Amino acid sequence: DGGITQSPKYLFRKEGQNVTLSCEQNLNHDAMYWYRQDPGQGLRLIYYSQIVNDFQKGDIAEGYSVSREKKESFPLTVTSAQKNPTAFYLCASSISSGGYTGELFFGEGSRLTVL
Amino acid sequence: DAKTTQPPSMDCAEGRAANLPCNHSTISGNEYVYWYRQIHSQGPQYIIHGLKNNETNEMASLIITEDRKSSTLILPHATLRDTAVYYCIVPRRVSFNKFYFGSGTKLNVKP
Repeated sequence: DGGITQSPKYLFRKEGQNVTLSCEQNLNHDAMYWYRQDPGQGLRLIYYSQIVNDFQKGDIAEGYSVSREKKESFPLTVTSAQKNPTAFYLCASSISSGGYTGELFFGEGSRLTVL
Repeated sequence: DAKTTQPPSMDCAEGRAANLPCNHSTISGNEYVYWYRQIHSQGPQYIIHGLKNNETNEMASLIITEDRKSSTLILPHATLRDTAVYYCIVPRRVSFNKFYFGSGTKLNVKP
């Protein structure tokens, strides 16, 4: 089945450690996104990528880094510079072609807890 | 940006229609209205989108007013599994859509 796979589903980290969240899609979508969600809040955009080897900062990129070396993969690294990393992280993808962007398809999320 | 305004919560009886309103008074002529929902601790799920005409699919109906300043998502026969946060989104039209999810409406479907 086509879809987006995020791993791990749950992750615990000690303060000062970097951690990388995986996001893989087999929908052949050009665009991929990372969002953060805090309890009771909406989603906030961290980074997005329209094509391979290109990505842009969203609204809350500080303390995060991404790479887009392959079309199907868009990993997110939460660095030690991120002050409040405990959150629910969501990856999404969409068609993006000729100025048109389709609806977002989301993974099931990764819940990061900093101890 | 076209901001959207939604009530923070709504209740609906099981089996009845759920009508979720959204105001988007600053929407531009070529901007679409999208609806998503998020069941607790899961990724958001796409429901429906539209430009100016009413739309219907297997999940819901979308009614957009003639002036396009507001819309209503209709779940015709709500079930307990429809309990979720519903987001109304008008993506920014820069060179690339960016979907901004606010706080949405928490729909509580009650037996």
